[in-house]
Amino acid sequence: QKEVEQDPGPLSVPEGAIVSLNCTYSNSAFQYFMWYRQYSRKGPELLMYTYSSGNKEDGRFTAQVDKSSKYISLFIRDSQPSDSATYLCAMSANAGGTSYGKLTFGQGTILTVHP
Amino acid sequence: DVKVTQSSRYLVKRTGEKVFLECVQDMDHENMFWYRQDPGLGLRLIYFSYDVKMKEKGDIPEGYSVSREKKERFSLILESASTNQTSMYLCASSLSSGPLNEQYFGPGTRLTVT
Repeated sequence: QKEVEQDPGPLSVPEGAIVSLNCTYSNSAFQYFMWYRQYSRKGPELLMYTYSSGNKEDGRFTAQVDKSSKYISLFIRDSQPSDSATYLCAMSANAGGTSYGKLTFGQGTILTVHP
Repeated sequence: DVKVTQSSRYLVKRTGEKVFLECVQDMDHENMFWYRQDPGLGLRLIYFSYDVKMKEKGDIPEGYSVSREKKERFSLILESASTNQTSMYLCASSLSSGPLNEQYFGPGTRLTVT
């Protein structure tokens, strides 16, 4: 079993829809939870991050972490064609130190928002 | 702005060739990483380095080696390329002292081995 599981999709939604992207994980030591966005023919870029449990909102994007269920989500409201990309969840047990900055990534979900 | 550059966007090599992929970052980051990205498998860590001349194996190091002679440069070497190494290769870097382990990625090198 992978440490982080993410449904690879693909997911296709109409413009304006609410999108829900999810990851589950098995390592209870994970404390930092990130979402990266990767446009076609580009490298991933950090979109949002949360520390421990709770919600974080940034414009149309909301990241949620439920550590008791080992489940994280990214919600996109009023989705736009420009949101079409691959979304990868990523996690780490601690920042810096002996982890050397290692992240564990999900498989990525391919999202297409059509006009 | 952090910039991570990779030497080639597309590369075609023959089976058995020695292949060098170069990565350079301009933000004095201590940590550097090499991943390969395949459909349905996501990002898999090949090797990483936390200091000059220091390296650690990732999850799939077989068939690869790395070199880090200068802080800003991290090279991935395929000693004898095979067709199952056809993939997208991504380089990343990060600060060792940052509050997050945010990694900054290059644009990737699409390697095809024939």
